[in-house]
Amino acid sequence: GENVEQHPSTLSVQEGDSAVIKCTYSDSASNYFPWYKQELGKGPQLIIDIRSNVGEKKDQRIAVTLNKTAKHFSLHITETQPEDSAVYFCAASRSSSNTGKLIFGQGTTLQVKP
Amino acid sequence: DAEITQSPRHKITETGRQVTLACHQTWNHNNMFWYRQDLGHGLRLIHYSYGVQDTNKGEVSDGYSVSRSNTEDLPLTLESAASSQTSVYFCASSRVGETQYFGPGTRLLVL
Repeated sequence: GENVEQHPSTLSVQEGDSAVIKCTYSDSASNYFPWYKQELGKGPQLIIDIRSNVGEKKDQRIAVTLNKTAKHFSLHITETQPEDSAVYFCAASRSSSNTGKLIFGQGTTLQVKP
Repeated sequence: DAEITQSPRHKITETGRQVTLACHQTWNHNNMFWYRQDLGHGLRLIHYSYGVQDTNKGEVSDGYSVSRSNTEDLPLTLESAASSQTSVYFCASSRVGETQYFGPGTRLLVL
């Protein structure tokens, strides 16, 4: 079945360093890839997303890259800050249909040490 | 402001009891989803709906049911709660083909 693999499961960086989280998806028809940030005790919040007609998207310190050939996409956080500490989830779906169903990765716990 | 809410935020129940978790959104989104979140499993889809009177099973639907009588609400019912259903439950909603927005979650403990 459809699957999204996310790595690493945990990531610890020093404040100011960059963090990279990688995801691989199995469904070649997937064309929408959101990233969510989940803080302790809260629901996942969308931080950035990318569609298959774009190879890269950036929003301030956050960027996402997509390689459709390899079925691989990544989240890049630059100049990390302690408030970036959270669990990050990648997801994939076929947005062109009305399924809207997201297949989530297992999550990455990011710790930014001051 | 438009939002999505869940109630209760915390619930303790006993094995065998029926439990209903509420989800309400004010965005007028057609699509609504229920997920459970457990350590080591991420977010798993329980049920989803594309509109009034429409419901569909997700990957972990056994023991759960939903009904959609209006656009704003998608209550999740555990027919006979089991300890394996102890989890954190999230509701989400979206427009057709668009981003899903999540509620704050309900933490359920089945004793």
